[in-house]
Amino acid sequence: DSGVTQTPKHLITATGQRVTLRCSPRSGDLSVYWYQQSLDQGLQFLIQYYNGEERAKGNILERFSAQQFPDLHSELNLSSLELGDSALYFCASSGRRQSSGNTIYFGEGSWLTVV
Amino acid sequence: DAKTTQPTSMDCAEGRAANLPCNHSTISGNEYVYWYRQIHSQGPQYIIHGLKNNETNEMASLIITEDRKSSTLILPHATLRDTAVYYCIVRVANYGGSQGNLIFGKGTKLSVKP
Repeated sequence: DSGVTQTPKHLITATGQRVTLRCSPRSGDLSVYWYQQSLDQGLQFLIQYYNGEERAKGNILERFSAQQFPDLHSELNLSSLELGDSALYFCASSGRRQSSGNTIYFGEGSWLTVV
Repeated sequence: DAKTTQPTSMDCAEGRAANLPCNHSTISGNEYVYWYRQIHSQGPQYIIHGLKNNETNEMASLIITEDRKSSTLILPHATLRDTAVYYCIVRVANYGGSQGNLIFGKGTKLSVKP
């Protein structure tokens, strides 16, 4: 158990809909990362937040957005869903205060199926 | 972040050591070498990381060449449960907070056979 919690574990929704994926980082971790893994793609970095602020952006579509709240949990919002958005979405966390060389730990992912 | 090169796939006999190589010839002085693995769509699992010294933990050993241009992950006694995709990643690590993210390549698919 990495200590990173993601909900829901599985989600099936229709094209055009909007969903929200939730992530609780490890206790004390300030950074949250979101990754997407579809069948024909590897793990793609989407976005990183650090202590509530966006820190880095990867291949995140404009239809997707994320935020990190004051309690450090994060949400990934996916809107106007398309069939190609079906994927595993991973959240990861790192970056405890007063620590160096911080390791990133991943949750077990949220399976999104768009039908 | 520097790029890495790994073999696409490797086989290993159960009980033998699995040696997974990684080339990172453009690594910078402030970049660590990290290894993760992913077992069949589970979340990537951290294995080990190092800067320039060899490292060992309960899961594996990491051997980094003196020029830091390549490294080898060693699983000393591979089991069937070690069958997974293994990722070698170089990453800038800053002290005290915000860290660089991980950029995954295609990794090495390790198959441990009975």
